[in-house]
Formats: sequence, C-alpha cells, structure tokens
Amino acid sequence: AQTVTQSQPEMSVQEAETVTLSCTYDTSESDYYLFWYKQPPSRQMILVIRQEAYKQQNATENRFSVNFQKAAKSFSLKISDSQLGDAAMYFCAYRSYYSYSGAGSYQLTFGKGTKLSVIP
Amino acid sequence: NAGVTQTPKFQVLKTGQSMTLQCAQDMNHNSMYWYRQDPGMGLRLIYYSASEGTTDKGEVPNGYNVSRLNKREFSLRLESAAPSQTSVYFCASSERREQYFGPGTRLTVT
Repeated sequence: AQTVTQSQPEMSVQEAETVTLSCTYDTSESDYYLFWYKQPPSRQMILVIRQEAYKQQNATENRFSVNFQKAAKSFSLKISDSQLGDAAMYFCAYRSYYSYSGAGSYQLTFGKGTKLSVIP
Repeated sequence: NAGVTQTPKFQVLKTGQSMTLQCAQDMNHNSMYWYRQDPGMGLRLIYYSASEGTTDKGEVPNGYNVSRLNKREFSLRLESAAPSQTSVYFCASSERREQYFGPGTRLTVT
C-alpha cells in the first residue's frame, strides 16, 4: 500500500516571500500521479498542481511549482510571492497510474496536511 | 454546471439515529467516491463506485452503506450513528486525470 507523509504540520510565510511544503511518499510502482490540493477555510478541496511520474519536467502553475525527485520519492510544493489568499491547509496526494475496476476509478491516498499561514 | 453538490452542509445527530448524505454530479463522470476528513488525518476513502451499479469498500467502510442511485447520484447512509462518525464528509467524482470534490458535509454525532 502506498503512504504519503507530510512532515510539517504547520508552516508560516511572510506575504510576498517564498515557502516550500514537503511531501514524501512510498510506493513500489513506477508510474503514478502526484497532486497538491489546497483547502481554504471554506472547506472546498481545490486542485493546485498535478505531476505525472513519467514526466521529468517539474510541473508549474503560475506561482506554484513542484520539485519532483522520483528516486528520492519526494514531491515538494513551492509557493512564490505568497499572498494572503494562499493561507490554507495543503494536502499532498498519490494515485496509481492504472485504474482499477476497468472504469476509470482510482484511489487517492492523502497525506495528513500542512497548515500554511501567511503573515501580512 | 454545478460540479459536485452535497446536501446537507451541516447536520447534528444523536447517537443511534440514522441519516443519508446526498451527492450529485453533473459532469457525466462514471466514478464517484465518499471520503471522511478528521483533524490531523487527511482524507480517507470510505466507499467508491467505479460505475453505475457497482460499489466497493475503501479504507474505512465500517458503519456506512452506499447506494449508486444512477450515474449522477451517490448516497452515503449511516444506519446507527456513533460519536466516532463525527467528521467532515466529502463526495467526489472523477474522470481519468482528476477528482472533483463537493463542498463537504460537517456531521456531528452527540
């Protein structure tokens, strides 16, 4: 079974600065996807960024980028130019590349989350 | 296009009461999921439905039942609520690359 570990329960960053959230995972699979989800106080789960394991290039979405180290099984999220609206819980998640049940469904395994505070 | 909707948003139950959480999606997705979120635990899968007419257990299925009523709707039932089921419940649906989540239901069992 896959496991996802987020070792930082809480982090803080000054507005306009850069912060990196850590995530490690354990798997015996060679093909998989990794995700970062944001959960603001509204509770809504919002996909921030996605990385396919077979792609060597790190994914980037505007101010959000990842450092994907496949051999080390590490998947960190970097937030640049932090904004007050970035304050939220951030969850790292893993999914297998292959679906089960033959219908495109798959299980996401989540880490326990990192609470990010942004200081004005 | 509402995405994934859940009702109710909040609910308080007494121990032993039953209730059904409703979920619907309008994205024509085959697969749907129920998760629970507890403080410090992330999200854990309760049940999923790969397609209309099929359901399977996830990581924490005990105390719950599900029904995939049609392609759009996937309900979660607590037959006899217990305080350990106090949690936030999320429904999700998926296409091949991404899961889309509903807004969640905060359930308190006293």
